[in-house]
Amino acid sequence: DAKTTQPNSMESNEEEPVHLPCNHSTISGTDYIHWYRQLPSQGPEYVIHGLTSNVNNRMASLAIAEDRKSSTLILHRATLRDAAVYYCILRARNNAGNMLTFGGGTRLMVKP
Amino acid sequence: NAGVTQTPKFRILKIGQSMTLQCTQDMNHNYMYWYRQDPGMGLKLIYYSVGAGITDKGEVPNGYNVSRSTTEDFPLRLELAAPSQTSVYFCASSPWTSGRAETQYFGPGTRLLVL
Repeated sequence: DAKTTQPNSMESNEEEPVHLPCNHSTISGTDYIHWYRQLPSQGPEYVIHGLTSNVNNRMASLAIAEDRKSSTLILHRATLRDAAVYYCILRARNNAGNMLTFGGGTRLMVKP
Repeated sequence: NAGVTQTPKFRILKIGQSMTLQCTQDMNHNYMYWYRQDPGMGLKLIYYSVGAGITDKGEVPNGYNVSRSTTEDFPLRLELAAPSQTSVYFCASSPWTSGRAETQYFGPGTRLLVL
C-alpha cells in the first residue's frame, strides 16, 4: 500500500472545526483512503473512508482532492473527547486480507 | 454484541517465559488480526487470518505464533518472551471483503511487560 504523510501533532480549541491533512502523492487509482483514530489507552476505531468523492458521516467529513494526492479529515466541532491520534491509511482495493498499514498519525490536542 | 474481547488486560512476564494472549470476537467476522504498538508509534501487523484454519505472517511475526481453529478465536502465542516484546497488543476483526473497503474492529488491548 502507498505511503501517507501527516503532521505529528495539531492543536484545536473546543467547539471549533478541525482540519486534519494527509498527503498521499503515490496513491493509485484503486486505493481507498481510510481514517482511524485512537483515543488514549484504547484500540483504534474507524472514523471514515472514501475513494474519490467527499464523504460525510456522524463522526466526521472526508474531503478528497480532485487528483486524490491529498485528503482532509474534518471534525466540525471539536470536543475534548476528540483528543486522539488520527491515522490516515491507504488500503489497496485488491488487498485480499483487508490489512491496514499504520503510520505515526497526527496527535490532536483539544483545548477547553 | 461484546465485539472484540482480549484477555488478559495486563501481564508481566520474565524473560524466557511463554504465554498466550486470547482474542475472541462475536461478530462472525472471517478476518482477524494481531498488531503490536510500541510507545509513541503506530501499530504493526504481526499475523492475520482470513478464516478458520488459515493464517499468514504480517510485518513483524518473529517470536510469535498463531492458530485459528474457530471463527471466533485467534490466540497469539509468545514462546520465549524477550524484552523487545514489551508492547501493547491489539486484536482486530473484519468482515469478509469482496473488493470493498471493510472496517476493522479493535479490541481494548493487552499490555505486556517483559522483564
